[in-house]
Order: sequence, then structure tokens, then C-alpha cells
Amino acid sequence: DVKVTQSSRYLVKRTGEKVFLECVQDMDHENMFWYRQDPGLGLRLIYFSYDVKMKEKGDIPEGYSVSREKKERFSLILESASTNQTSMYLCASSSPRLADNTGELFFGEGSRLTVL
Amino acid sequence: SQELEQSPQSLIVQEGKNLTINCTSSKTLYGLYWYKQKYGEGLIFLMMLQKGGEEKSHEKITAKLDEKKQQSSLHITASQPSHAGIYLCGAVPVYNFNKFYFGSGTKLNVKP
Repeated sequence: DVKVTQSSRYLVKRTGEKVFLECVQDMDHENMFWYRQDPGLGLRLIYFSYDVKMKEKGDIPEGYSVSREKKERFSLILESASTNQTSMYLCASSSPRLADNTGELFFGEGSRLTVL
Repeated sequence: SQELEQSPQSLIVQEGKNLTINCTSSKTLYGLYWYKQKYGEGLIFLMMLQKGGEEKSHEKITAKLDEKKQQSSLHITASQPSHAGIYLCGAVPVYNFNKFYFGSGTKLNVKP
């Protein structure tokens, strides 16, 4: 069974704290993604990575950074958490689209972050 | 900016009724994906459409992609309470095959 594991289901942090959200996949996927999900806004892409040490900004990268030192692990970092970063964070991975592969994303269970 | 527009934002239907959810892109897409999310859970992949005019079905759910590859519809026939959840369309744009973004979602409730 394919698996994307996010380190924490629920976190509560204070404004100004540094926050690490970890994501690990066991499918040898090249691509990994971080989204945040807010009511009425769907999933918004924060950052994505298509290879080790490669990253690209998504649609809302401000206030976030990422790290991909190993293929299986993609970390989302909030350098100085703010209350408007309270959200559900979803990690996903995929392999490149080929003839026999749809390239669909596999998702983790999500990490609900509350910043007080 | 939202590159994928979904409508309606929410929908309440009586069990047994048919319904349609639409997803429109401002840009031509390489591929269009439909996902379902049950409340409080992760996303489940439903189907992927890649060719203009393509149509796929899974049980009572049918999705179509228009010829221009900018618009897709998801149709549920004879809805059941198990169909309730949030439906999201996702897409890979032709300008960046590594990117994968989503629409704002449609929240579906099915009343027994």
C-alpha cells in the first residue's frame, strides 16, 4: 500500500515560533507537494519539489520555506508562525506521468496547525 | 489567483437525484483530476482525464473533459449519502508539468 505520512496530525504553536511539518513517502516518488486547505479556498499550493534539493514556489509561498534533502522526505518550515497560518496542511507525492501511470497525487492525512 | 474555478461551491441534494459539478480553467490543461475528500479525512483519487473530449466513469460517477481541455464536469447519477463530501478538481498545466493545483472545491450533502 502506498503511504504518505505526515509527522503530526495536530499542532498548537505560538506566534513567532518556528514550525516544522514533516512529510515522508515510501513510494520512491520524484514529486512532492505542500498545500494548505482553508474553507471556501480549496487546496492552495505552497511549494513543490520535483527532485532532491529542487523546489519551486507554488501560489502562496510567502511565510514558508521547504527542504528536500532526501527523496522520501519533504519538510515545510514556518520561520515565524503567524495566526493567519492557522490551517490544515496537506502533503502529497506523485511520480511522473507515463503511459501506464496517471501521475495522480497521493495524500497524507493532513496536519492541523493552530497558531495562537 | 485561482486558476481553476469550481461551481457550485456547495450543493444539497435529495438522495436519488442527479447532480453536476463543474471545473473551469483559464488555461489549457495537460491533465484534469477529480478527487473526493470525506469530512476530516484525506483525499481520494477518483479519475484523471487527459484527452480532449474524454469521458470516464466509475460506478455512478462520470467525468468529462471538453475538447479544448479547459473545462470538466463531474456527474453523479442517483446520489446516495455515501457520495457526500468535498469534490475537488486538480490540474497539471501545460506550462509546467511538475505543478499540480486545485480548484476551491464543492461541498456536497446528500439528504436521505
